[in-house]
Amino acid sequence: ILNVEQSPQSLHVQEGDSTNFTCSFPSSNFYALHWYRWETAKSPEALFVMTLNGDEKKKGRISATLNTKEGYSYLYIKGSQPEDSATYLCASYGSGNNRKLIWGLGTSLAVNP
Amino acid sequence: EPEVTQTPSHQVTQMGQEVILRCVPISNHLYFYWYRQILGQKVEFLVSFYNNEISEKSEIFDDQFSVERPDGSNFTLKIRSTKLEDSAMYFCASSDRQGGQPQHFGDGTRLSIL
Repeated sequence: ILNVEQSPQSLHVQEGDSTNFTCSFPSSNFYALHWYRWETAKSPEALFVMTLNGDEKKKGRISATLNTKEGYSYLYIKGSQPEDSATYLCASYGSGNNRKLIWGLGTSLAVNP
Repeated sequence: EPEVTQTPSHQVTQMGQEVILRCVPISNHLYFYWYRQILGQKVEFLVSFYNNEISEKSEIFDDQFSVERPDGSNFTLKIRSTKLEDSAMYFCASSDRQGGQPQHFGDGTRLSIL
């Protein structure tokens, strides 16, 4: 059974701090790793989809890396702003008989002004 | 920007009744999905749909559930004989390709079973 774990569960930072969180996933039967940003009362918004070992993607102040051999991905936020406050979800998409997104529980980020 | 729309936003139903949750995916997308999130728990995959048939389903998606694309735009989730434990947020999503492309989510339907 696939299991995706995220840490920490929650994080409080000051405006301007840089931060990062971790997603770990089973490295076998791996196809893609998705990151989503989920604000309260809104729907999950796609940030990145990564497939290749060593992939690094960037969107503004947010970036992500992928290590498929050891089964982890990091999400980095540089110079956090209050509007970055949200839950950040990762999900692993498998291959073969596991062609579906398996989700982590998310990291809840609160950025204090 | 095109978006996925879901109706209703909140559905309250008596236990044992049938509910239909509706979704309009992004028009040029080919893959459609339903997820649910029970309060405080992980988002759980229910089913994916492609080319007018189910392509993957989870162990949660038993005979109580069914999906349909009755016309060119709607994608529905039917839950028969609802139970208290079916209370959750149900999200619909769509993508233009499988796996390696992001999924676009609707705002969800909150289903409350009394």
